[in-house]
Amino acid sequence: DTGVSQDPRHKITKRGQNVTFRCDPISEHNRLYWYRQTLGQGPEFLTYFQNEAQLEKSRLLSDRFSAERPKGSFSTLEIQRTEQGDSAMYLCASGPSGNSDTQYFGPGTRLTVL
Amino acid sequence: TQLLEQSPQFLSIQEGENLTVYCNSSSVFSSLQWYRQEPGEGPVLLVTVVTGGEVKKLKRLTFQFGDARKDSSLHITAAQPGDTGLYLCAGANNQGGKLIFGQGTELSVKP
Repeated sequence: DTGVSQDPRHKITKRGQNVTFRCDPISEHNRLYWYRQTLGQGPEFLTYFQNEAQLEKSRLLSDRFSAERPKGSFSTLEIQRTEQGDSAMYLCASGPSGNSDTQYFGPGTRLTVL
Repeated sequence: TQLLEQSPQFLSIQEGENLTVYCNSSSVFSSLQWYRQEPGEGPVLLVTVVTGGEVKKLKRLTFQFGDARKDSSLHITAAQPGDTGLYLCAGANNQGGKLIFGQGTELSVKP
């Protein structure tokens, strides 16, 4: 299977701890996106990379959140000093270069902050 | 701020019935995608529509993009229990950029 993969699938942490999630996009895709989804809602955009360049960040991405894509392949999303409000599904998507808007999503990482 | 309104939010029907889900906005989108999501999983792409007035069919699913590229609909014919899930529409307003999602339609098809 050569789809988008995310690790871990589930993470339970205590308030105040740091967590890091990894996303491996479809190999030929140069665009990579992070979204957050809470129960009963559609995904909300967090940030977007084209190759290694972070092109857009949402106001939702507070200074406790940081995302990287150092070699233009996999990406990491780190949340520092987690809060209960950070509990959500974190989704990664990738898309091909060119004129396509289409994005393909991974299975997500479910974060629970106790 | 661009918004996408989906309706209905919840839909519970019997196997064999037809249904339509609507996705509306006051904004123009360059394209619109429909996804289906199951609990605990990521959204799975069903279709991308790009041209105003475009109609695409995927087996029993028919997708339409409005002429003005502000709205879209998903019609399911003869729904089956396997169609159960969360249906999401998402609009893009510049090529390659972020998607703006509707809040989703939770569909339950009972045998």
